[in-house]
Amino acid sequence: NAGVTQTPKFQVLKTGQSMTLQCAQDMNHEYMSWYRQDPGMGLRLIHYSVGAGITDQGEVPNGYNVSRSTTEDFPLRLLSAAPSQTSVYFCASSTGRGSYNEQFFGPGTRLTVL
Amino acid sequence: GQQVMQIPQYQHVQEGEDFTTYCNSSTTLSNIQWYKQRPGGHPVFLIQLVKSGEVKKQKRLTFQFGEAKKNSSLHITATQTTDVGTYFCAGKGRFVSGGSNYKLTFGKGTLLTVNP
Repeated sequence: NAGVTQTPKFQVLKTGQSMTLQCAQDMNHEYMSWYRQDPGMGLRLIHYSVGAGITDQGEVPNGYNVSRSTTEDFPLRLLSAAPSQTSVYFCASSTGRGSYNEQFFGPGTRLTVL
Repeated sequence: GQQVMQIPQYQHVQEGEDFTTYCNSSTTLSNIQWYKQRPGGHPVFLIQLVKSGEVKKQKRLTFQFGEAKKNSSLHITATQTTDVGTYFCAGKGRFVSGGSNYKLTFGKGTLLTVNP
């Protein structure tokens, strides 16, 4: 049971490039989400999904796309990278059932946009 | 939208001193969670509080949820160097019919450093 995995661990992009951050979980969790973490800003929700085929925007969705074709995978796409997207990105999953929804976080992807 | 404010932003203590971080929400919460993030690591779930006035303990850590379910605190007794990290609270809003009931709103965190 690997939990939540993210690839790559580190990435450097040039402005305007696109890329996909991968996230997968093997716990059969319904709920998955993407956060970005910047110094002094805490964790801000980018996009989330409550099940395969269902996604919605979070607090800071601009410049990012997501899709959820399977329960296990929830990739995050940067359409045209900008220096403001330099951040640490965390994927998280939870059961989403009832009132108990502990989130399990992946190890993160550290992205630098030059 | 829902906002969760956390204070202080930083706290430096001598090993053995106590530490408290406070969390306040602009709206009533259905539950609140606490996470710890070690330097360079990812957030790890500590606990969830659901009931008004609830108090839970984990060894030297005491978590409280306010009577109005709008505030919470985490208190660490006799800090150790292993307590170093950033502590986040995360609130879940009240159930809304037809709305999104899965989102957590995180506070900005309190960074705790401990001088041995």
